[in-house]
Amino acid sequence: DQQVKQNSPSLSVQEGRISILNCDYTNSMFDYFLWYKKYPAEGPTFLISISSIKDKNEDGRFTVFLNKSAKHLSLHIVPSQPGDSAVYFCAAVGSSNTGKLIFGQGTTLQVKP
Amino acid sequence: ETGVTQTPRHLVMGMTNKKSLKCEQHLGHNAMYWYKQSAKKPLELMFVYSLEERVENNSVPSRFSPECPNSSHLFLHLHTLQPEDSALYLCASSQDAYNEQFFGPGTRLTVL
Repeated sequence: DQQVKQNSPSLSVQEGRISILNCDYTNSMFDYFLWYKKYPAEGPTFLISISSIKDKNEDGRFTVFLNKSAKHLSLHIVPSQPGDSAVYFCAAVGSSNTGKLIFGQGTTLQVKP
Repeated sequence: ETGVTQTPRHLVMGMTNKKSLKCEQHLGHNAMYWYKQSAKKPLELMFVYSLEERVENNSVPSRFSPECPNSSHLFLHLHTLQPEDSALYLCASSQDAYNEQFFGPGTRLTVL
């Protein structure tokens, strides 16, 4: 049973437009959520995170929204740039599960010039 | 060198071989992790070390044996692997076992 799901395997957007990547989770014990970005032949790179006490966290072009009642989070990238093309993973962890990040399957984002 | 490094970057081995993957972090972190990423599957946590003690062993077969001699180094010893063990093996570290994890570039392992 997959506790963190990214239902869209791929997303294509035009440069300058908004990219919205979605993630759903099932475990209500998760209280910290992270987004990672991965280029080919590299390890994932931490992008942005959000604690369950917040519903929004913003860092430059990247904003993560958390809807706890819907067990849903999303990553918004505005404006999208070709260099944002990568695989994006969401991950979740509960404070009682020390270090145990649960990852989604990833969404491949392609930003077209 | 900074960040998290992994060697080798690529490894091809037979099922009877013994090899080791090495991970080193230069971030002063206290927790280190091994993950496995198979094609079209989520990242799977294998092991967690916090302050050089193993705190998580995620039902990993005994043909994978981790070793953490100090807080900066983590090894994954491999023996009698199966072809289905072919995957990308990623090492990560974090300040403590509940902070953002920083990943190395991974070792692409192929078992023939």
